[in-house]
Amino acid sequence: KQEVTQIPAALSVPEGENLVLNCSFTDSAIYNLQWFRQDPGKGLTSLLLIQSSQREQTSGRLNASLDKSSGRSTLYIAASQPGDSATYLCAVIIQGAQKLVFGQGTRLTINP
Amino acid sequence: KAGVTQTPRYLIKTRGQQVTLSCSPISGHRSVSWYQQTPGQGLQFLFEYFSETQRNKGNFPGRFSGRQFSNSRSEMNVSTLELGDSALYLCASSRAGARDTQYFGPGTRLTVL
Repeated sequence: KQEVTQIPAALSVPEGENLVLNCSFTDSAIYNLQWFRQDPGKGLTSLLLIQSSQREQTSGRLNASLDKSSGRSTLYIAASQPGDSATYLCAVIIQGAQKLVFGQGTRLTINP
Repeated sequence: KAGVTQTPRYLIKTRGQQVTLSCSPISGHRSVSWYQQTPGQGLQFLFEYFSETQRNKGNFPGRFSGRQFSNSRSEMNVSTLELGDSALYLCASSRAGARDTQYFGPGTRLTVL
């Protein structure tokens, strides 16, 4: 059974810092991995999607990497801003399945 | 273009009642997935529909059911509500399925008293 873990559960940093969020998964037979952000009481916003054949994806200040063999992904946020405060979730698609398996998320707070 | 819409946004029901939630996907998207989000269990997959066919189902009791219409709009139904069904129910749409970028709606907050 695929399990997805995100560490830390919560993170608080001052504005302007670069930071890394971690995601690990137990079964390396994934189709892709997606990173989402969720604002309180809201739905999820897709940030980046990495196919299993890719090593990384970039969008603006965000960079996500994928190491399938070790079952790890990281989301790098450069020059953090208060507007980046949210819960960040990673999710994997298992090969042959049509569903996302989510981690529990990292609650990020950027202090002005 | 318009995003994923879910109605209603908030619902309060009592135990034993049933409820129907609606999801309208982004135009052109044929896949709709449903997820339940609770503080204890996080996000859990309920089911996925593509062109009116259920392709995948999560590990939920039969009280949870869904369907998809020819215009790709989807509904999910929960019968005989229990207190533990209180959650944020999210739907996501995509062009062809979970392997594509998922676009989530704002969710329906269900409270069971």
